[in-house]
Amino acid sequence: DAMVIQNPRYQVTQFGKPVTLSCSQTLNHNVMYWYQQKSSQAPKLLFHYYDKDFNNEADTPDNFQSRRPNTSFCFLDIRSPGLGDAAMYLCATSPYGGETQYFGPGTRLLVL
Amino acid sequence: SQQGEEDPQALSIQEGENATMNCSYKTSINNLQWYRQNSGRGLVHLILIRSNEREKHSGRLRVTLDTSKKSSSLLITASRAADTASYFCATERNFGNEKLTFGTGTRLTIIP
Repeated sequence: DAMVIQNPRYQVTQFGKPVTLSCSQTLNHNVMYWYQQKSSQAPKLLFHYYDKDFNNEADTPDNFQSRRPNTSFCFLDIRSPGLGDAAMYLCATSPYGGETQYFGPGTRLLVL
Repeated sequence: SQQGEEDPQALSIQEGENATMNCSYKTSINNLQWYRQNSGRGLVHLILIRSNEREKHSGRLRVTLDTSKKSSSLLITASRAADTASYFCATERNFGNEKLTFGTGTRLTIIP
């Protein structure tokens, strides 16, 4: 089945130690999104790619970076995680943006 | 910034009853979508309603949109225990915007 896959499902890292979260899709969608979601809050968009074009949200900290080496994969890099970065990170895709988004199961990040 | 606010923040009803959730937004939109999120999981798309539509149905779901009041409602009829989840509205502000802005969510609990 076509889907959005996130690995790992749970990630534990140490304060200040770089961490990479990955997302892959078999839907062949043009747009890929990264959201941060903290407990009992709405998902907050960090950035998105439309094909190879990167779009950063104005309030996304520089500590967060992203790479999309090909259509199928997208990575979220957190260069120096702080305690406040502990959250669920959600990857989503959309065929051409603004329409239905298809979410992965999320990666829960814990920072010690 | 968050576009939508949902009301109520939390709702508990008996199984078999109907559940109604409301979403209000601030700016004009191209479409409005509803998503469900089970605890600790990704979001699942439920229904999309466009700005020129007033009502849409999908199974036990009924969504209305009132663009003059900048509000939408989601009705779940004959609720089931499996409907227990958080429900988010999300808006696409302009056609081709590529982004959705999520509301604050309603936590729905169905009591068996």
